[in-house]
Order: sequence, then C-alpha cells, then structure tokens
Amino acid sequence: AQSVTQLGSHVSVSEGALVLLRCNYSSSVPPYLFWYVQYPNQGLQLLLKYTSAATLVKGINGFEAEFKKSETSFHLTKPSAHMSDAAEYFCAVRIYSSASKIIFGSGTRLSIRP
Amino acid sequence: NAGVTQTPKFQVLKTGQSMTLQCAQDMNHEYMSWYRQDPGMGLRLIHYSVGAGITDQGEVPNGYNVSRSTTEDFPLRLLSAAPSQTSVYFCASSLGGVNGYTFGSGTRLTVV
Repeated sequence: AQSVTQLGSHVSVSEGALVLLRCNYSSSVPPYLFWYVQYPNQGLQLLLKYTSAATLVKGINGFEAEFKKSETSFHLTKPSAHMSDAAEYFCAVRIYSSASKIIFGSGTRLSIRP
Repeated sequence: NAGVTQTPKFQVLKTGQSMTLQCAQDMNHEYMSWYRQDPGMGLRLIHYSVGAGITDQGEVPNGYNVSRSTTEDFPLRLLSAAPSQTSVYFCASSLGGVNGYTFGSGTRLTVV
C-alpha cells in the first residue's frame, strides 16, 4: 500500500538557516507526491507537487523538493528560513489506483527562532 | 471565486446528536474528499467522491455518511455523535490526476 512517513514531528531552525523537512514514501509504482502547508487556524495550501516531469520541484514561498527514487524520499527544503514560514507541513501521496484518493503524513511543525 | 466553502466553522454537539457538515465548491471539480485532523495524526481520509452519485470509503469511515447528488456539494453526516469524533474536519476538491486538492477552511467540531 502506498504511504508517506514524515520524520520529525517538530523542527526548529533559526531565521536565515536552512529548512529541511523529511518525507519518505512507500510505493511500488511511480508516485504523485505533494507538500502542503497549514498556517494556524487555516486550511491546507498546496506548496508543490511531483508528477514525474522533473525530479527537482520548485514551489511557492521559495520552497523546493527533490524526488529521489533510490532513497524513496521527497524532502522539502528552503535555503533561508523566514519567520513567516512557521507553520505545519504535510507530505502526501496520491494512491495509484485512484484519481482522487490522497493520503497524508502525520505532519511536521516548523518553528523559527529569531 | 469562492473555492471550497465549509459551514459551520464551529459546532458543539451533545453525544448522540446528529448533524451535517456542509461543503460546496464552485470550481467544477469532479473529485471531493472529507478529512479529519487530529493532533499528531495528520489528516485522515473519511470519505471521497469521484463524481456526482459516486462515493467511497476512506481510512476512517465509521460513524459518517456522505452523498453526492451534485458536482458542487458534498455534505458529511454524523449519525450519532461520539466524543471520539471531536476533531477539525476539512473538505477538499480536485480536478484529479496530477492535481492536488484545494481545501476549505475547516469545521471545528466538539462533541460533549
């Protein structure tokens, strides 16, 4: 069964530091992968998606993610953290047999230290 | 363009009561889903729909019913509320395929 695992429920970085949020997937077929962000008391917003067109995917707000098949990973990075990046981030995978079924990881809360 | 609209935003129910969470989208998306969000558990899929008249169960369907009579609307019914259903509920819609979901702003439900 396809699934995603997010390593680390809470990540704290200093403002200006590199942000690295980890996501590993489990899939026997090429997956469609997504990263979402959720700001406090809001719904989820799509950051970026991997659909096999390119292994390095750029998203909104300066975030990017690299699909690595050999490591079954899709980690989210940002070179320089900003205070406004503080939020919860979710990795998700579309179930191959369904055009609409998307399963989410447990989430990583990102805190930014001044 | 309103996107995905959920009502109500907040609700308190007593154990055993029933209610319907409303969800409407104006993007002509075929695919719609309901998720619940609980601390430390991410979002779990309750039910989803691939078009009007077609629904299917997700990861945690027990205690919830759905129907999809139109493309725009996808209500979620709690038949007999239990404290374990205290959660934040999100409705989402999508064109499907390579597209992700567009989410509503959520309904915070407390069952006492």
